[in-house]
Amino acid sequence: NAGVTQTPKFQVLKTGQSMTLQCAQDMNHEYMSWYRQDPGMGLRLIHYSVGAGITDQGEVPNGYNVSRSTTEDFPLRLLSAAPSQTSVYFCASSLRAGGSYNEQFFGPGTRLTVL
Amino acid sequence: QQPVQSPQAVILREGEDAVINCSSSKALYSVHWYRQKHGEAPVFLMILLKGGEQKGHEKISASFNEKKQQSSLYLTASQLSYSGTYFCGTDLTGGGNKLTFGTGTQLKVEL
Repeated sequence: NAGVTQTPKFQVLKTGQSMTLQCAQDMNHEYMSWYRQDPGMGLRLIHYSVGAGITDQGEVPNGYNVSRSTTEDFPLRLLSAAPSQTSVYFCASSLRAGGSYNEQFFGPGTRLTVL
Repeated sequence: QQPVQSPQAVILREGEDAVINCSSSKALYSVHWYRQKHGEAPVFLMILLKGGEQKGHEKISASFNEKKQQSSLYLTASQLSYSGTYFCGTDLTGGGNKLTFGTGTQLKVEL
């Protein structure tokens, strides 16, 4: 199993450009999520999904869109990039959408810089 | 509401012990602990539930005080490999996945 994979690893955008960060998992996990990590801020939840076709907002959703058409894939779209979106983005998944013992598996991250 | 972690940073000699604390102002269903090494993804360590159940790393122990909404991670006989940033994630809704993370505790273990 590859686990959780993310592409690209690094990306530089200009203000106003759009792009999609890719995330895929091959563990048949129900739950998938996107976090951003900024220095001194910890991990903040952007969007999450409890299954194919079901998504919801997290703590910092503005400027981002998600969709989940399959169990495996959960792309994150930046609609019009802003310098405030410069961050490291992590995708994570866990086996069950509910329940108590939900260990989250994180992808390797995408380092995004917006100029 | 982001949980508060303390200390923010700690330096240990190999073999020493450390305690990392996580405190929330809201009632918690569970507390999750992750460790992140520099430039890498966070890795799961432990989950602590209300009622005392826990699941996780064999060599790391933790506690969860439900009355005080506090959790502590105990690192004993530290090894160089314990170095990294430790994050607690708090579950406020009972769903088990939607976590609010603290800002992290940087731990460095030296020879």
